[in-house]
Amino acid sequence: SQTIHQWPATLVQPVGSPLSLECTVEGTSNPNLYWYRQAAGRGLQLLFYSVGIGQISSEVPQNLSASRPQDRQFILSSKKLLLSDSGFYLCAWSVPDGRLAITDTQYFGPGTRLTVL
Amino acid sequence: TQLLEQSPQFLSIQEGENLTVYCNSSSVFSSLQWYRQEPGEGPVLLVTVVTGGEVKKLKRLTFQFGDARKDSSLHITAAQPGDTGLYLCAGGGETSGSRLTFGEGTQLTVNP
Repeated sequence: SQTIHQWPATLVQPVGSPLSLECTVEGTSNPNLYWYRQAAGRGLQLLFYSVGIGQISSEVPQNLSASRPQDRQFILSSKKLLLSDSGFYLCAWSVPDGRLAITDTQYFGPGTRLTVL
Repeated sequence: TQLLEQSPQFLSIQEGENLTVYCNSSSVFSSLQWYRQEPGEGPVLLVTVVTGGEVKKLKRLTFQFGDARKDSSLHITAAQPGDTGLYLCAGGGETSGSRLTFGEGTQLTVNP
């Protein structure tokens, strides 16, 4: 069965410090990978998605970047955190269905709660 | 830009009551997914509907995809405290590939 891991679970960082959040998927090959940010009790904002190693698409301009150094590893980074970067960060994966006009089901990790002070 | 509007934003009911959550858009979606999320955890997929007019049942939960594939509803019968959580709908656009558009969520609280 497939599993998805995120760490750390909780992170408190000062403004201006760097950030690295990691996401790994097990039990599947060549998944699509996603990073989302969620404000408290609200919907998800897609930040980045990747369809393969080294292939990153950014959805919104921001202070963050993403990388995919291995097939099942997705990393979210920042060189200098801002207060507005605080939030709940979720990683998700999907396997391309292969059929046209069918959106792949996404499965989420447990999330990382980031607080920037 | 495709948008999904969920209503109501907040819902607090007593155990045993029925409820319906709505997810509406002016855009057509290739599929519609419903997730439930508990505090501090990632969303968990409940169902995916892909055919206009499709109805799926999951125990006390009934999901419907609108005929025109622009809207969806989630109906819960005889709600229980364990149903408490944030319910999110997410639509797959016909041209957006594997990306999903999420609604803002409905926070449901079922009081014993």
